[in-house]
Amino acid sequence: DAGVIQSPRHEVTEMGQEVTLRCKPISGHNSLFWYRQTMMRGLELLIYFNNNVPIDDSGMPEDRFSAKMPNASFSTLKIQPSEPRDSAVYFCASSSPLRYEQYFGPGTRLTVT
Amino acid sequence: RKEVEQDPGPFNVPEGATVAFNCTYSNSASQSFFWYRQDCRKEPKLLMSVYSSGNEDGRFTAQLNRASQYISLLIRDSKLSDSATYLCVVNTNAGKSTFGDGTTLTVKP
Repeated sequence: DAGVIQSPRHEVTEMGQEVTLRCKPISGHNSLFWYRQTMMRGLELLIYFNNNVPIDDSGMPEDRFSAKMPNASFSTLKIQPSEPRDSAVYFCASSSPLRYEQYFGPGTRLTVT
Repeated sequence: RKEVEQDPGPFNVPEGATVAFNCTYSNSASQSFFWYRQDCRKEPKLLMSVYSSGNEDGRFTAQLNRASQYISLLIRDSKLSDSATYLCVVNTNAGKSTFGDGTTLTVKP
């Protein structure tokens, strides 16, 4: 079975550019989570969706970050404009109905220069 | 105070040793508990769920103490391949998980 799929795996961009990260959750899972991980701050929850609806976006750092989930099999996290401090590994995870175990994708390693 | 706290370590142990990690959580209404493992430059992976009665999976044993609000993970007969960061995870609200910062384990020959 395919796990959570994320693309791209690596992204290097210049400050000020728009960055779009993509995630395909595991089929049948109805909750989707976006995390950011850095050495300094550890693993931070940015936003999560339940049945395609954003439930908690309190972790989104600022207005430059936005996330969408147009359907059950696709989500995007967009950063516009990007800044060097956004450099991190961004993980997407999903979980199935009524179960709280989350399954993570391989992550997108973002470098903003 | 963080919602979920772990001793960051590092724990450096020889092969074959028994090692235990603890994790404390602040929300007494927390319902679900897990241990995840994260290898360097990889994604976190579910290691095991933690049940009130305690549960065991091979060399790994997880315990939950609701009264004291802590979770433990015991690794017996540690292997080199057990070297990783172990993350404690607590569900404080339905559908939302809070991760600890992790405990780093290095098993040496």
